[in-house]
Amino acid sequence: DVKVTQSSRYLVKRTGEKVFLECVQDMDHENMFWYRQDPGLGLRLIYFSYDVKMKEKGDIPEGYSVSREKKERFSLILESASTNQTSMYLCATKGEVYGYTFGSGTRLTVV
Amino acid sequence: QKEVEQNSGPLSVPEGAIASLNCTYSDRGSQSFFWYRQYSGKSPELIMFIYSNGDKEDGRFTAQLNKASQYVSLLIRDSQPSDSATYLCAARIQGAQKLVFGQGTRLTINP
Repeated sequence: DVKVTQSSRYLVKRTGEKVFLECVQDMDHENMFWYRQDPGLGLRLIYFSYDVKMKEKGDIPEGYSVSREKKERFSLILESASTNQTSMYLCATKGEVYGYTFGSGTRLTVV
Repeated sequence: QKEVEQNSGPLSVPEGAIASLNCTYSDRGSQSFFWYRQYSGKSPELIMFIYSNGDKEDGRFTAQLNKASQYVSLLIRDSQPSDSATYLCAARIQGAQKLVFGQGTRLTINP
């Protein structure tokens, strides 16, 4: 089974801090994604990557950046955290045939 | 208009009955469709995918696709309390890697 590991389950950060969310997958998948999930808004795509050092903006990239230096690791960076970035962040990877496999999620609270 | 639409519910079904979850999509280029189940506080997990018109069965689950009507559904037979969750419908456009998600339908199975 594909394993997608997100480094933190719960995180509390202060406004203005730079925040790093890490995601690691063990199945050599090329495509990786970062979503945020909020009540009433569903899953919204922030950024995705289809190869090392390649990235594409999703639907809500503002305030975020990403890094993919190695195939197995895709990092989401909040340059200067704000309270409206309090959310559940989900990393996912995609193989050739099936849909996504999600990590367990990071619930980020910005105070 | 949202690209993938679901009734947010909540949908309440008695134990042992058939639960019917519906999803419509707007992009006729959508080629493959996925149903995810998400328990409260957990990440989504893939339960069914369907590419071709018609029905696809897997145990108690049946996915139905009607491309002419741009409609996807998920039937859960012999509903169990453990089926209580939010069900997310997702679509993928041919050639694209990203999935577009509906907002999810919250399903409650009453013992």
